[in-house]
Amino acid sequence: GESVGLHLPTLSVQEGDNSIINCAYSNSASDYFIWYKQESGKGPQFIIDIRSNMDKRQGQRVTVLLNKTVKHLSLQIAATQPGDSAVYFCAEIFYGQNFVFGPGTRLSVLP
Amino acid sequence: IAGITQAPTSQILAAGRRMTLRCTQDMRHNAMYWYRQDLGLGLRLIHYSNTAGTTGKGEVPDGYSVSRANTDDFPLTLASAVPSQTSVYFCASSDRVNSGANVLTFGAGSRLTVL
Repeated sequence: GESVGLHLPTLSVQEGDNSIINCAYSNSASDYFIWYKQESGKGPQFIIDIRSNMDKRQGQRVTVLLNKTVKHLSLQIAATQPGDSAVYFCAEIFYGQNFVFGPGTRLSVLP
Repeated sequence: IAGITQAPTSQILAAGRRMTLRCTQDMRHNAMYWYRQDLGLGLRLIHYSNTAGTTGKGEVPDGYSVSRANTDDFPLTLASAVPSQTSVYFCASSDRVNSGANVLTFGAGSRLTVL
């Protein structure tokens, strides 16, 4: 389920299932996008990035999809594991140096 | 281990007091940044430095100051702390000149509570 307001949206998935986390961005001049993972009490960690001239990029168990028509970015995590539980947020980068971060989505992996 | 070191990890501070959050990186990155993170708002840029000797204002600079005397250190100072500055502060760095893309590397954060 999801919660709004001062609480982060939350995605709950069963261990072993695939997770899809979504992000809407605002600036059509954004030339680069990054997904970060933030575990409790830690700083954000780089997961995967994608340039604006691409629509898909794959990493280890993760895939990022970019739809520039509707300004939408998604992160897909295959075979979600307990260690994937964290807050995930996207960042759009425009003019090479300006970062805009989304508020994040909390991923909760259920046993 | 190469990376960013922030200190203190956590601090409770009385309103009106002066506080400096320390940040040191050993990756020889040219650019450094300070962000604050508040629930539901995402990371917001306070100040940045593209290279040693230069600094710039971000989205929420009021009440904060920075200096960049050398490549490795980028301290953030709250001259007179107020309760609205209660937040988690993250220092970050990037190798903007030499890398093909601008990827930020973050420290572990400093949790500041102003009473």
